[in-house]
Amino acid sequence: EVQLVESGGGLVQPGRSLKLSCAASGFTFSDYNMAWVRQAPTKGLEWVASISYGGSNTHYGDSVKGRFTISRDNAKSTLYLQMDSLRSEDTATYYCARPRYYGSYNWFAYWGQGTLVTVSS
Amino acid sequence: DIQMTQSPHSLSASLGETVSIECLASEGISNYLAWYQQKPGKSPQLLIYYASSLQDGVPSRFSGSGSGTQYSLKISNMQPEDEGVYYCQQGYKYPFTFGSGTKLEIK
Repeated sequence: EVQLVESGGGLVQPGRSLKLSCAASGFTFSDYNMAWVRQAPTKGLEWVASISYGGSNTHYGDSVKGRFTISRDNAKSTLYLQMDSLRSEDTATYYCARPRYYGSYNWFAYWGQGTLVTVSS
Repeated sequence: DIQMTQSPHSLSASLGETVSIECLASEGISNYLAWYQQKPGKSPQLLIYYASSLQDGVPSRFSGSGSGTQYSLKISNMQPEDEGVYYCQQGYKYPFTFGSGTKLEIK
């Protein structure tokens, strides 16, 4: 069974940093591209970033480019999101997501339960 | 960036009714369109991918269609468990973008 478990969320002050983790199990993590998607309270879904299965290719949403860094450790089956220079508008539940099959990256068949990040002084 | 305009914003339907949700892309996306359902407090669930392919385990009363810039999700024989918010998403080019969501309720 595919499982994605996010951690690392919490309350952080504006301008500070936070690193999210997503522990994957139930599939060969190193075969799959991965992504982060977020959802601000009572708002819609926003794609944040994607990373290729080997980690060499990354893509970012306009609102986080230059501030967030997606990375992965295939040996640990873990996905990361380093968030720097956090702003109040980054407040959201952050989901780790996996595409439907290996080689794909266009849509997300598996989602974690999400971890809440609150940026406030 | 590709803008995804979703309509309606909300709708209510009776049990057994058929409903449709529309999604308009700001440019052609070659059927790289997915639909998700999200229930309160839960993670999104993939329903349809590549515009019309049904995700494993999703009831056949859900169907997708469209091409070019216009896509739609149809739910036939509305059931109580179909209440939730529905989102479209283009996977044609980065940055991936979602529609604003459609809240579906039972009348």
